[in-house]
Amino acid sequence: DQQVKQNSPSLSVQEGRISILNCDYTNSMFDYFLWYKKYPAEGPTFLISISSIKDKNEDGRFTVFLNKSAKHLSLHIVPSQPGDSAVYFCAATEAFSGGSNYKLTFGKGTLLTVNP
Amino acid sequence: DTGVSQDPRHKITKRGQNVTFRCDPISEHNRLYWYRQTLGQGPEFLTYFQNEAQLEKSRLLSDRFSAERPKGSFSTLEIQRTEQGDSAMYLCASSYPNIKLAVRQETQYFGPGTRLLVL
Repeated sequence: DQQVKQNSPSLSVQEGRISILNCDYTNSMFDYFLWYKKYPAEGPTFLISISSIKDKNEDGRFTVFLNKSAKHLSLHIVPSQPGDSAVYFCAATEAFSGGSNYKLTFGKGTLLTVNP
Repeated sequence: DTGVSQDPRHKITKRGQNVTFRCDPISEHNRLYWYRQTLGQGPEFLTYFQNEAQLEKSRLLSDRFSAERPKGSFSTLEIQRTEQGDSAMYLCASSYPNIKLAVRQETQYFGPGTRLLVL
């Protein structure tokens, strides 16, 4: 049962254009969402996160949008650069009774290729 | 801040052998996590420590797997009697709860991983 889904295995965009990576989730208890970027043979690198109390969070070229009613989030990268080429993972956590999130549930990832 | 480190980065072993991996978290982080990633999949949660206490174990962690964090600093993950299905990237992450936020949420920072190949 895949609780976090990234339905596009790959995405190719031109340098300078917008990249939009999508993520859907099924667990309504998820309340914190994160995007990680991963290069081959390296660990995931944290990019940006959003709490369920917000619908948008922006950090430089990266913006994450959250639509709770649709259980959907997206990561926008503007402008895209060749160095952004990597696998992007969407992840989510849910608060447990102690009041602090812990384990991450990941999607399968989307391979972004930014062409010069 | 040197980040999360893992050792070794690569390990090749024969089926039936035991292997042990080490993770050194970011120094002020009291939470430590182990994940496993196989080809084409996202990382999957294995286990979690708060200080030296192991608070959660996934059903993915069979009896052949054991993790420790004896002094609440570094952690080890041991796999006994390795099987070919254990071949994967083993990732360690650490975090520190941000209690200043109205909602207690935290970001996990990952190490470079240990790639295990069982022949």
